[in-house]
Parts: sequence; C-alpha cells; structure tokens
Amino acid sequence: NAGVMQNPRHLVRRRGQEARLRCSPMKGHSHVYWYRQLPEEGLKFMVYLQKENIIDESGMPKERFSAEFPKEGPSILRIQQVVRGDSAAYFCASSPQTGGDQPQHFGDGTRLSIL
Amino acid sequence: AQSVSQHNHHVILSEAASLELGCNYSYGGTVNLFWYVQYPGQHLQLLLKYFSGDPLVKGIKGFEAEFIKSKFSFNLRKPSVQWSDTAEYFCAVNAREYGNKLVFGAGTILRVKS
Repeated sequence: NAGVMQNPRHLVRRRGQEARLRCSPMKGHSHVYWYRQLPEEGLKFMVYLQKENIIDESGMPKERFSAEFPKEGPSILRIQQVVRGDSAAYFCASSPQTGGDQPQHFGDGTRLSIL
Repeated sequence: AQSVSQHNHHVILSEAASLELGCNYSYGGTVNLFWYVQYPGQHLQLLLKYFSGDPLVKGIKGFEAEFIKSKFSFNLRKPSVQWSDTAEYFCAVNAREYGNKLVFGAGTILRVKS
C-alpha cells in the first residue's frame, strides 16, 4: 500500500540550474496536486493535473516553472534557472477522483535548496 | 482572495490539558474543511474533514472540530492531549466554486510536555 512517493527527498542545485521533482500518486489515483511551502508559511497551491492534462495552474509562477503528468510515469515539476527564492519544500498530493471533497493524500515532500 | 488564518503559531501544553486550535477562513460560499497533521519527519496526514451535515465532526486519535458557519470558523479540539500529539497542525479550506485546490493556514506547532 504505497502512499504518494516523491523523489528526491532532498535536492541541492546551484543558481541557474534546473530542478526536476517527481511524484508518483497513490495506486488508483489519477489526480495530482503540487504545493510549495516556504519557511514559516503554510502550503501554497501551485498546480492540479490529471493524466496528460493541466486542470488548474493558477498558483504556478508565470516563468521558469512547468508541470506535467504523462500517460505513463510520474508527475514532474520542473523549475528552470533556479534562484535562491525557489528554496522551499515542494509537496505532491493525489486523490482518486475529482471534487474538492476528495481528501488529498500527501507525499513526504522534496526539500529544494539553492546554493 | 480566499485566506485561512490560524491564530496561534506555537502552542505548548502539558499532558492531559485540553486543546483548542483556531481556524478562520475568508470565503463566503460553500466550503469543504480539513485539518491535517504533520508529525516530526512525516508527511501530512488527514485528521478530519467536513463537507456537509453535522457541524461537529470527529476524526482520528480523539480529535474533533466544529464548523460554525456564522463565524467562518473550524476550530480543532481535543479534551486531553498526549505527548504523542506533538506535531504541526494545518487547517485547509476548499472553496467549491474554485475547484479542487486547498488553501492552507500557516500551521500551528503544538508541543506537549510530558
């Protein structure tokens, strides 16, 4: 009964490099959500995806950030040309169906540090 | 814009003390409400949820929360805390009109002294 799997758990990048964060949802879940947590703050919604579709990206920064959830394989959150301000914990969640009443199940997160 | 406020960022209690963590939200429409807990080194886990019906909801580990629509509140309570309740607690709101995303409060770090 694997839960939501995120990797890597910790990722260190230098300014200007690319960061790729992976998320495999729980078995049977086809809806994936990405959230970002800055120090001393709550989780902030970034993007909601279903297989091969971006449903809601209202929380994604307009530049450098992208997300995908291909037909096969994990969901990927990509950050290009990282800057110090991208340092945060990035959490992925999944749910089996659509609807705001569906509890979201969270992964352990990826801690991204930018040198 | 929707927002969620958790009034206390840090709470320290002795074992057996009663707990109440405040949560208020700003959205006036229909909402789904959640409390999540994050134990040290672990991922967020769902404590309890409210969608409709009885405004007093019971969750795991003896927690309960009451939805008071007139006050836009969803406070978390536990009559007697244990050392193992030491964790960070997050209130989250889903405004049905805005799809599936959750809006989280900043979290409350609870430390229970044994």
